[in-house]
Amino acid sequence: AQRVTQPEKLLSVFKGAPVELKCNYSYSGSPELFWYVQYSRQRLQLLLRHISRESIKGFTADLNKGETSFHLKKPFAQEEDSAMYYCALSVYGNKLVFGAGTILRVKS
Amino acid sequence: EPEVTQTPSHQVTQMGQEVILRCVPISNHLYFYWYRQILGQKVEFLVSFYNNEISEKSEIFDDQFSVERPDGSNFTLKIRSTKLEDSAMYFCASSVEDRAYGYTFGSGTRLTVV
Repeated sequence: AQRVTQPEKLLSVFKGAPVELKCNYSYSGSPELFWYVQYSRQRLQLLLRHISRESIKGFTADLNKGETSFHLKKPFAQEEDSAMYYCALSVYGNKLVFGAGTILRVKS
Repeated sequence: EPEVTQTPSHQVTQMGQEVILRCVPISNHLYFYWYRQILGQKVEFLVSFYNNEISEKSEIFDDQFSVERPDGSNFTLKIRSTKLEDSAMYFCASSVEDRAYGYTFGSGTRLTVV
């Protein structure tokens, strides 16, 4: 069965500190992984997808097939990064399976 | 930037009543989806829709649920007889292709069943 695990419900860091939001997945096929962000009361927005290997707003994520992980990282957190972050796995290319989400709070 | 629009943003309904949640997808998108998120739980896939028919649905999407695109622009989710456990945030998404990386999500409708 496909599953996405985000072990932390809440991650609180100080501004300027490094951030790592953890994501592990379980899927027998070839995974397509995404990070979505939801700022307060706003829509789910695509932040990153592993295929593109890009950096958005300073965030990066590397797919590690050996550890079945897709952790989201940023070297220096900013206050405007405070949001809910969801890791998601694409199943059969179209449907998304989401993790439970991690609230990131960046304190000044 | 084009947006997926959902109305209403919040709907309160009595248990047993029918409710229709509305979504206006991005105009050139062909694939449409509904997801829901019960408070404190994961975002879950409900249904995908293409070419005026359901292409896939989850076990959550039982006979109480239906979707349609009545006028070529709106994409609706109907719950026939609401239950307390239907209370959730419902997200609509649309995509040009049937690929997850192409999704654009709406801002959601919070449904509260009392």
